[in-house]
Amino acid sequence: DAGITQSPRHKVTETGTPVTLRCHQTENHRYMYWYRQDPGHGLRLIHYSYGVKDTDKGEVSDGYSVSRSKTEDFLLTLESATSSQTSVYFCATGRGQGATGELFFGEGSRLTVL
Amino acid sequence: DAKTTQPPSMDCAEGRAANLPCNHSTISGNEYVYWYRQIHSQGPQYIIHGLKNNETNEMASLIITEDRKSSTLILPHATLRDTAVYYCIVRVSDDAGNNRKLIWGLGTSLAVNP
Repeated sequence: DAGITQSPRHKVTETGTPVTLRCHQTENHRYMYWYRQDPGHGLRLIHYSYGVKDTDKGEVSDGYSVSRSKTEDFLLTLESATSSQTSVYFCATGRGQGATGELFFGEGSRLTVL
Repeated sequence: DAKTTQPPSMDCAEGRAANLPCNHSTISGNEYVYWYRQIHSQGPQYIIHGLKNNETNEMASLIITEDRKSSTLILPHATLRDTAVYYCIVRVSDDAGNNRKLIWGLGTSLAVNP
């Protein structure tokens, strides 16, 4: 399994505060993704990265930004957290172009916005 | 990418085969079928994938119908640890670059009973 570490694993914060979630991988995978998972919804893609400094929006990107300054790290920032961003966030990685397309997931970060 | 339809829940007795169906009637010729599972609140885990031939690995077997409009994931000897939500996803190509287009449904919640 790909070594994917998410931090923090649990966080409680207040509305209006900034929050940064970190995803760290040790497998040198090219692609990295941030998803959120909410009851009644499947996994929804927030942002993804296809290389260092190369990122793009997913289907639910409003209120989120990302950065990838190194291959191994992908940061998700909630600029001003809202209660609707209470969710479980999963980071995932995928190997490079031409490799098979399976995703490797981290253990998740549970965020509660009060 | 094509959408999939799965039963919301299934039960299976421990030690018996679990057969999880997936309908993907609008699948295109270049779309692969992927299966993942999510145990409790952990990150999803890749199980298997295929294009048109049946596939088997150490975790499961994937049977794809000749017309490719449906598939079945088979866990040959289900254990309590196989209790999880199972997701069937179809996606263009086998390439990691297309993961951003994945549509995750709600999957099938499989309960393996003693």
